[in-house]
Amino acid sequence: ETGVTQTPRHLVMGMTNKKSLKCEQHLGHNAMYWYKQSAKKPLELMFVYNFKEQTENNSVPSRFSPECPNSSHLFLHLHTLQPEDSALYLCASSPSGNYNNEQFFGPGTRLTVL
Amino acid sequence: DAKTTQPNSMESNEEEPVHLPCNHSTISGTDYIHWYRQLPSQGPEYVIHGLTSNVNNRMASLAIAEDRKSSTLILHRATLRDAAVYYCILRDRSGTSYGKLTFGQGTILTVHP
Repeated sequence: ETGVTQTPRHLVMGMTNKKSLKCEQHLGHNAMYWYKQSAKKPLELMFVYNFKEQTENNSVPSRFSPECPNSSHLFLHLHTLQPEDSALYLCASSPSGNYNNEQFFGPGTRLTVL
Repeated sequence: DAKTTQPNSMESNEEEPVHLPCNHSTISGTDYIHWYRQLPSQGPEYVIHGLTSNVNNRMASLAIAEDRKSSTLILHRATLRDAAVYYCILRDRSGTSYGKLTFGQGTILTVHP
């Protein structure tokens, strides 16, 4: 247990569906992150939130919409996804966005887009 | 971002030491060297990090070359639980990188009983 939980753990959705991924951290951290891990590709950073403000969007398509209502919760809203968006989506948190802070990862949500 | 190069895979026997190399010949003076690992079906977890001096913690040791162009993660006695993908990552301490972690392909470590 890393103190970062993600729900659901598995999700299957059609291309016309709208769904949301949820991440919650119980560590008192102020920075939260979304990463994408596709088969055969390295982990890619998608978004960074620092003290609830988005500080990085790594050229992510608009069909992925993040939301950070407070420092403990992070959502990734999904709509009109493509099959190539099927991947493991990982959430992480750290005390702040500082370069020296260890990031704590959740177990991920395995997403399949049909 | 400065790039790292790691072997695709390595093998070890249980209870033997493991030395995982990483080359980072374009490292800048403001880059920290971080290591994470990802166990099967889990998210990555932090292992260790350093700047210039060798570092030890309960999980591993990090040996950094004097010119900082390479480093080695040392697992002193490998266990089956250490089988994972190990990532060597450079993190810039200058500017506003906001803690960005850039993962490469990593090294797949197999530990034999």
